[in-house]
Amino acid sequence: AQSVTQLGSHVSVSEGALVLLRCNYSSSVPPYLFWYVQYPNQGLQLLLKYTSAATLVKGINGFEAEFKKSETSFHLTKPSAHMSDAAEYFCAVSEAGNTDKLIFGTGTRLQVFP
Amino acid sequence: EAGVAQSPRYKIIEKRQSVAFWCNPISGHATLYWYQQILGQGPKLLIQFQNNGVVDDSQLPKDRFSAERLKGVDSTLKIQPAKLEDSAVYLCASSLERTEETQYFGPGTRLLVL
Repeated sequence: AQSVTQLGSHVSVSEGALVLLRCNYSSSVPPYLFWYVQYPNQGLQLLLKYTSAATLVKGINGFEAEFKKSETSFHLTKPSAHMSDAAEYFCAVSEAGNTDKLIFGTGTRLQVFP
Repeated sequence: EAGVAQSPRYKIIEKRQSVAFWCNPISGHATLYWYQQILGQGPKLLIQFQNNGVVDDSQLPKDRFSAERLKGVDSTLKIQPAKLEDSAVYLCASSLERTEETQYFGPGTRLLVL
């Protein structure tokens, strides 16, 4: 069975600081991995996805994530936080070849202080 | 391109009452999903449709939840009777096909059961 663990339910950074949101996955088959962002009172929006091509994936709004098989990780980073990045971030996993079955983590709420 | 539409956005009911949510997916999207997102958790798949057929309803509490997508376009999710633990955000998502790994989410319906 697949699962995703997001370490830290809340992360706080100062504006301009590095953003690092952690995601570790468990999968017995090659995974597809996703990061979604959810702004208050809105649905989820895809930030980026790993689908077995390049291990470093660039997404929207300056975010990127690196797939590390040896560490079973897919951490999300952004070099410089902006106030508008404050939101909830969800990591999700699915199986290659069974990509419609998304398993979500519990989410990390990012706060950005001026 | 119009996104996934959901209504109502908010609903407050008393336990044992019934409630229905509506979703209109992105035009041309064959696959439609309903997720339940309880506060502090990631979205959990309730039911998945491919056109007007059910692909996966293994996590749908069928004694009280029902869903339909009669014409393969919009969909309705119903809860009857509602319980306190049904308080959650109900998200609808759609994708072009089951093999398309990107799901597009609507804004959700926030349900509070008193």
